[in-house]
Amino acid sequence: DSGVTQTPKHLITATGQRVTLRCSPRSGDLSVYWYQQSLDQGLQFLIQYYNGEERAKGNILERFSAQQFPDLHSELNLSSLELGDSALYFCASSVVAGALGYGYTFGSGTRLTVV
Amino acid sequence: AQTVTQSQPEMSVQEAETVTLSCTYDTSESDYYLFWYKQPPSRQMILVIRQEAYKQQNATENRFSVNFQKAAKSFSLKISDSQLGDAAMYFCAYRRVQGGSEKLVFGKGTKLTVNP
Repeated sequence: DSGVTQTPKHLITATGQRVTLRCSPRSGDLSVYWYQQSLDQGLQFLIQYYNGEERAKGNILERFSAQQFPDLHSELNLSSLELGDSALYFCASSVVAGALGYGYTFGSGTRLTVV
Repeated sequence: AQTVTQSQPEMSVQEAETVTLSCTYDTSESDYYLFWYKQPPSRQMILVIRQEAYKQQNATENRFSVNFQKAAKSFSLKISDSQLGDAAMYFCAYRRVQGGSEKLVFGKGTKLTVNP
């Protein structure tokens, strides 16, 4: 157990629907990152939050949004889902933004299948 | 833009032998961090080893070591005495921080097979 908890582990939904992925970071970690892993695109950075504030944005679609709550858990909302959104979505956390020597601790991911 | 290239989509090694996975990166920064992550069939991302760019000494973690060539922007991973449990996807990653904004940029990965 890495200490980063992601729920649900698996999600199957239909095109056009909306889903919410949840992440609880490791205790003490203030930064949360979301990544998308698909077969043809590898690991793509989506967005970073630090202590409730958005800090960096990557290749995140406008149909996707995220937030980090006061208790530091984060949610990734995916709407108007398309078949191409099927992927493994990872959440990761790190001690603080700027703790450069530390890698990220990853959750076990949420496998999203859009049918 | 920072890019990370892993030129070997797949590699194989015999159990107990040594294998080296290649990684090159592109950056104009002088201060950064590099990582190797392992992703076994369970899909969990596991940090294997990290290297700080300002340190000339190559990082070592048990059977895992790196060959960091800053001028050449090369960061290869050597696995000694390979074990069946080392079979996994291996991702090289670059971490840059600027003004509180940061991210890990990953290569596309190398699939390592360990043959008994």
